[in-house]
Amino acid sequence: NAGVMQNPRHLVRRRGQEARLRCSPMKGHSHVYWYRQLPEEGLKFMVYLQKENIIDESGMPKERFSAEFPKEGPSILRIQQVVRGDSAAYFCASSPPTRGGGTEAFFGQGTRLTVV
Amino acid sequence: SQQGEEDPQALSIQEGENATMNCSYKTSINNLQWYRQNSGRGLVHLILIRSNEREKHSGRLRVTLDTSKKSSSLLITASRAADTASYFCATDPLTGTYKYIFGTGTRLKVLA
Repeated sequence: NAGVMQNPRHLVRRRGQEARLRCSPMKGHSHVYWYRQLPEEGLKFMVYLQKENIIDESGMPKERFSAEFPKEGPSILRIQQVVRGDSAAYFCASSPPTRGGGTEAFFGQGTRLTVV
Repeated sequence: SQQGEEDPQALSIQEGENATMNCSYKTSINNLQWYRQNSGRGLVHLILIRSNEREKHSGRLRVTLDTSKKSSSLLITASRAADTASYFCATDPLTGTYKYIFGTGTRLKVLA
């Protein structure tokens, strides 16, 4: 059972370009979470998705950022017109559908976005 | 402010010593988890403790949870240089939404 797969691992974009980050959850997991980590900081929640639904996007910037988790294929975090402040590590996590006292979230290795 | 706050922010110890990190949080939780992150790398899940549990062990790790004080501690016994990393606590709050709130982390350095 492969873990959470994120790609690319490293992404360099010029200011104004678009960044697309992909996340394939673990097999059998239908919940996906995206987090952003700025240098020397903890992870900040961005968005929580289930298949074809955004459940909680309270941590997403209001502009330029969007996320989806289609019925088929990976979850995508899209950042339009990137700025230098978007440079960070973006982590995806997945968890199984059952709750029951909580389950652990499994994290991917992250995508490190550098905006030049 | 962040749900989880780790303390201390940085810790430097000698190999073989024990390392203790604390985490405080603000709201009621379903569970609390500890993760390790090596420099520039992804997160490794260490241990999950549920709100009805008080203590859990896994190898050299011991985690306690005090829901009355809204705090948790992670103890690493007989530390090794390979334990050098940042350690984060993450809480699963009873908010009706299923998301994890991370603290700012404790940077542990184990000197050989």
